[in-house]
Amino acid sequence: GQQVMQIPQYQHVQEGEDFTTYCNSSTTLSNIQWYKQRPGGHPVFLIQLVKSGEVKKQKRLTFQFGEAKKNSSLHITATQTTDVGTYFCKGSTLGRLYFGRGTQLTVWP
Amino acid sequence: SAVISQKPSRDICQRGTSLTIQCQVDSQVTMMFWYRQQPGQSLTLIATANQGSEATYESGFVIDKFPISRPNLTFSTLTVSNMSPEDSSIYLCSVGGLYEQYFGPGTRLTVT
Repeated sequence: GQQVMQIPQYQHVQEGEDFTTYCNSSTTLSNIQWYKQRPGGHPVFLIQLVKSGEVKKQKRLTFQFGEAKKNSSLHITATQTTDVGTYFCKGSTLGRLYFGRGTQLTVWP
Repeated sequence: SAVISQKPSRDICQRGTSLTIQCQVDSQVTMMFWYRQQPGQSLTLIATANQGSEATYESGFVIDKFPISRPNLTFSTLTVSNMSPEDSSIYLCSVGGLYEQYFGPGTRLTVT
């Protein structure tokens, strides 16, 4: 069935380096959301993108929604140890929800 | 936003037994969701629970194994029945759905 593919599965960076995770769908999404799950915690909503080509920023985090509304990315500039966790995208289409498998980010001090 | 609590936070159970997980929300919500998350994995939707109707189960999940109750707009339970070690996982309830979703802290279940 339709699903949202997320890559990479793991990313290890040194503090100060940038980080990007990507989500891709085979079909057009109504919207896409991003969540962060700290180790041992539960997913916490970060942001939602709805419009084609939309770009939103939250401090060092930049979120993009593709023109065709089939892909999205989350970019973190100059990572910090507090960025550690798993980042999930969630797409919705035709009333169905699809979580990506997540990108687990590790940041070395 | 919504604040969600779950009980128990964790449990260790013997195979063949059942565990009921409770989910309480601080506001009235129409839809509640139950997810399972294996360590290091993504979230797998078990079922959607609407108040006053039968829960809707995803492929691979059945009511006999995961019965759900939704007696009112702020509460739901998920029972994991006749447990096996393969049921060891984190179970999360959630509200929201198509838009912003809020998750409970999860119930970490270990079946021995």
